Amino acid sequence: EDQVTQSPEALRLQEGESSSLNCSYTVSGLRGLFWYRQDPGKGPEFLFTLYSAGEEKEKERLKATLTKKESFLHITAPKPEDSATYLCAVQAWAGNNRKLIWGLGTSLAVNP
Amino acid sequence: KAGVTQTPRYLIKTRGQQVTLSCSPISGHRSVSWYQQTPGQGLQFLFEYFSETQRNKGNFPGRFSGRQFSNSRSEMNVSTLELGDSALYLCASSRGQAEGNEKLFFGSGTQLSVL
Repeated sequence: EDQVTQSPEALRLQEGESSSLNCSYTVSGLRGLFWYRQDPGKGPEFLFTLYSAGEEKEKERLKATLTKKESFLHITAPKPEDSATYLCAVQAWAGNNRKLIWGLGTSLAVNP
Repeated sequence: KAGVTQTPRYLIKTRGQQVTLSCSPISGHRSVSWYQQTPGQGLQFLFEYFSETQRNKGNFPGRFSGRQFSNSRSEMNVSTLELGDSALYLCASSRGQAEGNEKLFFGSGTQLSVL
């Protein structure tokens, strides 16, 4: 069964304390892995798309990497404004239909 | 450029009633997808519409239906509401390229509470 698992469920960091969030997946026919950020009371906001193992993308304090079985979202020297829920989603093909499978997210809190 | 607009923002209904939610996509976007989000299940795909046609469908009962108009605006309807339908309903738009892999632009959602 296609599945996306994110860990940890929740993470609390001090400002400046770097860490990584994990997204592991088991899908057939991977066509892309997405990272989104969701703030309370809002819809998810796109961060990155990764397509193949070894690919890396960066944006400010965030860096996303991809292997054949998992993706990491590295947060370097986080600030309180980085507090949010980070969602991972994997796009796969099932026959003629493409489907986007979402993880449950990691809730990140960064204390000043 | 205006973002994705969902109305209403909050809704309270009782069991057995029906509800209609509305979504206006970003100008130029022809694909609209609907998701249900709950703390325990995360984001669950309901359906996707492209050029007024349902292009993809998730595993939800027939009580959940949708449609898309010629201006790409979309509505979602839930009939015979159940307590378990309480959730945040999110709409996302994209240009709708067939090969997928597009980033989605989400609205802020409609928080539905069924009493």
